[in-house]
Amino acid sequence: DAGVTQSPTHLIKTRGQHVTLRCSPISGHKSVSWYQQVLGQGPQFIFQYYEKEERGRGNFPDRFSARQFPNYSSELNVNALLLGDSALYLCASSRTMDYGYTFGSGTRLTVV
Amino acid sequence: ELKVEQNPLFLSMQEGKNYTIYCNYSTTSDRLYWYRQDPGKSLESLFVLLSNGAVKQEGRLMASLDTKARLSTLHITAAVHDLSATYFCAVDEVGTNAGKSTFGDGTTLTVKP
Repeated sequence: DAGVTQSPTHLIKTRGQHVTLRCSPISGHKSVSWYQQVLGQGPQFIFQYYEKEERGRGNFPDRFSARQFPNYSSELNVNALLLGDSALYLCASSRTMDYGYTFGSGTRLTVV
Repeated sequence: ELKVEQNPLFLSMQEGKNYTIYCNYSTTSDRLYWYRQDPGKSLESLFVLLSNGAVKQEGRLMASLDTKARLSTLHITAAVHDLSATYFCAVDEVGTNAGKSTFGDGTTLTVKP
């Protein structure tokens, strides 16, 4: 079975631009969580979705938004990019919202 | 606000030696995770600890949880070079569902021959 897949793997954006990151969960997984990992730090929780509904939001500004589609894939959107948004963005999926989350390989975003 | 602290943040070991990484957290929790991350890679789940006194072992790594002390340890036995990586602990607040974990800043382990 394929694992959690994220796209793109890398991208470079300019300050002020908008970006969309995509995540496809493991087949049968209905919950998706997003994390931001700045270099040298641990991941920080951004959003959680389950059955297409937002089930949690971390301490991030409104420039960050997300959604989950009927096939349980998810998008993370970031508007008005800042240099500080440069990070590895990780998606994790689980069958429900229990402890069995599997992480994808991440999208490395660089804002210049 | 839940805070998770790991120490040490950096650890350099000789092959064959033993060492322990500590993870302290600030509020009640009933789920604690240990992950491994290689440079430029994603997180690999190592252990999930779900109750006080839980102990899990895989190869040269052993993790334990003391919920009363709000402390978990990751013990490395007879380190080998392949264990070089960054290790994170993560905690879920009690009463919350999983998938919103708070992570520590990681312990970067370097095992030298």
